[in-house]
Amino acid sequence: GQQLNQSPQSMFIQEGEDVSMNCTSSSIFNTWLWYKQDPGEGPVLLIALYKAGELTSNGRLTAQFGITRKDSFLNISASIPSDVGIYFCAGFEWAGGFKTIFGAGTRLFVKA
Amino acid sequence: DVKVTQSSRYLVKRTGEKVFLECVQDMDHENMFWYRQDPGLGLRLIYFSYDVKMKEKGDIPEGYSVSREKKERFSLILESASTNQTSMYLCASRGTNEKLFFGSGTQLSVL
Repeated sequence: GQQLNQSPQSMFIQEGEDVSMNCTSSSIFNTWLWYKQDPGEGPVLLIALYKAGELTSNGRLTAQFGITRKDSFLNISASIPSDVGIYFCAGFEWAGGFKTIFGAGTRLFVKA
Repeated sequence: DVKVTQSSRYLVKRTGEKVFLECVQDMDHENMFWYRQDPGLGLRLIYFSYDVKMKEKGDIPEGYSVSREKKERFSLILESASTNQTSMYLCASRGTNEKLFFGSGTQLSVL
């Protein structure tokens, strides 16, 4: 089935730094999603993207839907300790029913 | 506020035991899902359901079954638990759009 390649696997950064992560797919998606999982909790939706080239912000987070429709990017500006967690990209597709395909996640560590 | 509730945060079971993981949602969603989360592998879909008494296999259904007798409740069953089923299990529900709502997860250890 569909595979999503998410990178990097983990990041160790200093508070105040900007962060970038990305996700690529073997084929196109019509919807890209970014979720965050806080330690000990389930993932929560951060941003949804619906159109190629779309750039959407949620506070200090900005995500982009790649123009090829095979990739997406998430940036976090001026990181703070509560940004710690696992960030998942996901593609939403029709495959005999609507399905969500997840990347392996980027684990973010922020040092105060 | 939307809520997906998983009955246990932590479970410890022995090899060969039958294990039930329960999930309840209060959003009247048609769609419910069970995922398994392992480090480096992301979230892998075990089973999903689009309606009451309906179930579909996901990507890794082997060793699992599910039950959906009521719209709000979706149960994951491990018929005979094995050590390789030690993992974090996440339940999710979805309405008519693409947004998934997750429970807090059940960390299952099979000894």
